Amino acid sequence: AQSVTQPDIHITVSEGASLELRCNYSYGATPYLFWYVQSPGQGLQLLLKYFSGDTLVQGIKGFEAEFKRSQSSFNLRKPSVHWSDAAEYFCAVGAREYGNKLVFGAGTILRVKS
Amino acid sequence: DAGVTQSPTHLIKTRGQQVTLRCSPKSGHDTVSWYQQALGQGPQFIFQYYEEEERQRGNFPDRFSGHQFPNYSSELNVNALLLGDSALYLCASSSPGAPGNEQFFGPGTRLTVL
Repeated sequence: AQSVTQPDIHITVSEGASLELRCNYSYGATPYLFWYVQSPGQGLQLLLKYFSGDTLVQGIKGFEAEFKRSQSSFNLRKPSVHWSDAAEYFCAVGAREYGNKLVFGAGTILRVKS
Repeated sequence: DAGVTQSPTHLIKTRGQQVTLRCSPKSGHDTVSWYQQALGQGPQFIFQYYEEEERQRGNFPDRFSGHQFPNYSSELNVNALLLGDSALYLCASSSPGAPGNEQFFGPGTRLTVL
């Protein structure tokens, strides 16, 4: 079965510090990978996506992620966190072989301290 | 360009009642997917509609049903509501040719079952 694991439920970083959110997946096919952000009571906003090609992808708001096939990982990074980055972050995986559904991780809540 | 819209924003129902949620896809999109996001969890895929047919379904009971109209808008119906149906219901739209199944999400409908 397809699954996505986000090992960290909560992460707290200081404003200006670097950030890395972890995502591991289990998929029997070549995955499409996404990171979404959700502010309280809001829908999901796409930060970045990986379909193929360069394994380091750039997204909005200064975020980037790196696809590592050997580790089945797609970790999200940001070099310098801003207070406005506090939100919940979801990693999601899809694959053409499994239709068009997305499978989401449980999310990581990011808290930024000043 | 309007994004994905959903109505209503919030809804309160009692156990055993029925509810209908509505979604209008992003302009140019003809595929609609529905997800359930329980508190503290990632979104779970309910089903997807394309050309007015249910194309794919997640692990949800038959109490959950849907419909897609010729203008691509969609409804999610839930019968015999249970307390456990309380969640944020997210609608996502995409176009079948979109690479990597990229989906755009609406703001969601918060359903509370008392």
